Amino acid sequence: DVKVTQSSRYLVKRTGEKVFLECVQDMDHENMFWYRQDPGLGLRLIYFSYDVKMKEKGDIPEGYSVSREKKERFSLILESASTNQTSMYLCASSGLNQPQHFGDGTRLSIL
Amino acid sequence: SQQGEEDPQALSIQEGENATMNCSYKTSINNLQWYRQNSGRGLVHLILIRSNEREKHSGRLRVTLDTSKKSSSLLITASRAADTASYFCATGISYKLSFGAGTTVTVRA
Repeated sequence: DVKVTQSSRYLVKRTGEKVFLECVQDMDHENMFWYRQDPGLGLRLIYFSYDVKMKEKGDIPEGYSVSREKKERFSLILESASTNQTSMYLCASSGLNQPQHFGDGTRLSIL
Repeated sequence: SQQGEEDPQALSIQEGENATMNCSYKTSINNLQWYRQNSGRGLVHLILIRSNEREKHSGRLRVTLDTSKKSSSLLITASRAADTASYFCATGISYKLSFGAGTTVTVRA
């Protein structure tokens, strides 16, 4: 079975901090994704990566950056956390033209 | 941008009953997918239906697609308590998917 592991289930940070969310997949998938999920809004794509060191902006990239130095790892970075970035963050991976596999999410609170 | 919109937003049914939810989308698609999310967990892929297919089955799940109406439905037959979850439709091309806000299904014992 595909396993997508997010480093933290719950995280509390302060406004202005630099926050790193880590995601690792074990299926050698080319594609990796970061979404945020908010009530009533569904999932919104922040960034995705289709290869090592390659990235593309999703629908809501402002305030975020990403890093993919190795194929199995995709990091989401909040450069200077703000309260409106309090949310559930979901990482996913997929092979070419295959369904996406999700991690269990990180519930991030910015105080 | 949100491409798919699920309806209803919430659904409560008795165990053993069928649950039906719908998804409408705006632009042409290559395929449409349905995902399930249990409380506090990530999404799990359920089924993919291609634009040239009208109906697809997987176990107790039945998905239909009407491209002329830009809509899809997901039917869960003989529901169980374990089917309590949120269900999302997703449309998109290749690796970039757009998800709706989901239908929350509660199955009462």
